[in-house]
Amino acid sequence: GQQVMQIPQYQHVQEGEDFTTYCNSSTTLSNIQWYKQRPGGHPVFLIQLVKSGEVKKQKRLTFQFGEAKKNSSLHITATQTTDVGTYFCAGPHNTGFQKLVFGTGTRLLVSP
Amino acid sequence: EAQVTQNPRYLITVTGKKLTVTCSQNMNHEYMSWYRQDPGLGLRQIYYSMNVEVTDKGDVPEGYKVSRKEKRNFPLILESPSPNQTSLYFCASSLNPVGSYEQYFGPGTRLTVT
Repeated sequence: GQQVMQIPQYQHVQEGEDFTTYCNSSTTLSNIQWYKQRPGGHPVFLIQLVKSGEVKKQKRLTFQFGEAKKNSSLHITATQTTDVGTYFCAGPHNTGFQKLVFGTGTRLLVSP
Repeated sequence: EAQVTQNPRYLITVTGKKLTVTCSQNMNHEYMSWYRQDPGLGLRQIYYSMNVEVTDKGDVPEGYKVSRKEKRNFPLILESPSPNQTSLYFCASSLNPVGSYEQYFGPGTRLTVT
C-alpha cells in the first residue's frame, strides 16, 4: 500500500543548530502538507505545497516539494527550544482527496 | 473560538466493554476524520465523513464504527474494544477534502484497553 516515510525518526540538536527532516512517498503526491505536534499536544497545520519544486518559507522554516512530487523536506534554521515537537508530512491517498496518509514523523528535541 | 473538542480525554477500560468517544466541531466543516496515533507509525486514518450521513473507511477501520447524524458531531464507537486498540485518538475537521485543505485537530483521547 501507499507509504510515506520520514527520516530521521528522531534528532537531538543544540539550540542554534539547523535541522532538516525528509519525507519520501512511495507514490506521486498531488500536494503535501506539514504538521507540527508539540509534546502532549495535537497536530497543528503548518503549510501545504502543491507545485513541483515549490519552496515556501515561514520565518526560520523552509519547506520544499520535490520535482517528482514524491518527496519533501522541512528545514529549520537556528533552532529554538520552541521548535521542540514531532513534525509530520502528509499527502492525499492515491484513491482520492478524502483520505490523508501521514508520514511516520520526526521527533525534534532542542537543548538550550 | 474555533475548535474541535473530544471527550473523554483519557479512558481506561476493559476488553469487550463498549465505549464511545465524542467529537464536536464549531466551524461548520463538512469533512471530519478519526485518526489513531501509535509510536513509529504516525497517524493513521480510521474513518472519515464528507457530510451528514456520509461516511467511509480509512486505512484502519477494523473494530471501529462511526456515525454522522449532525454536521458538528462525529462520534467514534468501539463496540468490543481489544488491547490492540490501546492508542491515542484524534478527531479532525476541515472545510474541504482532507487531502487538499488543512485539518483542525481535537486535543486527543488516550485510550487504554486492558
